[in-house]
Amino acid sequence: SQTIHQWPATLVQPVGSPLSLECTVEGTSNPNLYWYRQAAGRGLQLLFYSVGIGQISSEVPQNLSASRPQDRQFILSSKKLLLSDSGFYLCAWSPPGGSFVHVEKLFFGSGTQLSVL
Amino acid sequence: SQQGEEDPQALSIQEGENATMNCSYKTSINNLQWYRQNSGRGLVHLILIRSNEREKHSGRLRVTLDTSKKSSSLLITASRAADTASYFCATDDRGSTLGRLYFGRGTQLTVWP
Repeated sequence: SQTIHQWPATLVQPVGSPLSLECTVEGTSNPNLYWYRQAAGRGLQLLFYSVGIGQISSEVPQNLSASRPQDRQFILSSKKLLLSDSGFYLCAWSPPGGSFVHVEKLFFGSGTQLSVL
Repeated sequence: SQQGEEDPQALSIQEGENATMNCSYKTSINNLQWYRQNSGRGLVHLILIRSNEREKHSGRLRVTLDTSKKSSSLLITASRAADTASYFCATDDRGSTLGRLYFGRGTQLTVWP
């Protein structure tokens, strides 16, 4: 069966510090991968998605970047965190199919609560 | 944007009562999905309804879709305290070739024992 791992669960970082959140998926090959951010009491904002190694699409301009160094590994990074980067970050995957498949189900990780102080 | 909007933002009911949540969206879709999120956790997929379907059932869940009104509803029957969570609708975009889902802000459901 497929599983998704996301860590850390909680992170408190000072403004200006770097960030690295990691997400890995097991039990499937070539999944579509996603990073979402959820501000308190708000919906989910899609940050990045990837349909393959090295293929990253960004939804919104921001202080963050994403990389996919391996098929089932997705990393969210920042060189210098801002206060506005605080939020709940969720990694998710969907079955493979590249860009031209309409997503019918997302499987989410357990999330990382990031507080930038 | 395509983002769906759930209504109401918060709903508080007693165990055994039914809970109804609504979702509206803006553009044509292929499917609409409902997810559940327990506090501080990831989202869990509940049910998908395709644009050519009008109603779907899964256990105590009933979802309807009205594409002419661009709206959907999620009914949870005979609610339990364990149903307390946030519920989100998510839509794709028929006009897009990219595999993205757009989420609303959610309905916070509280079920009192």
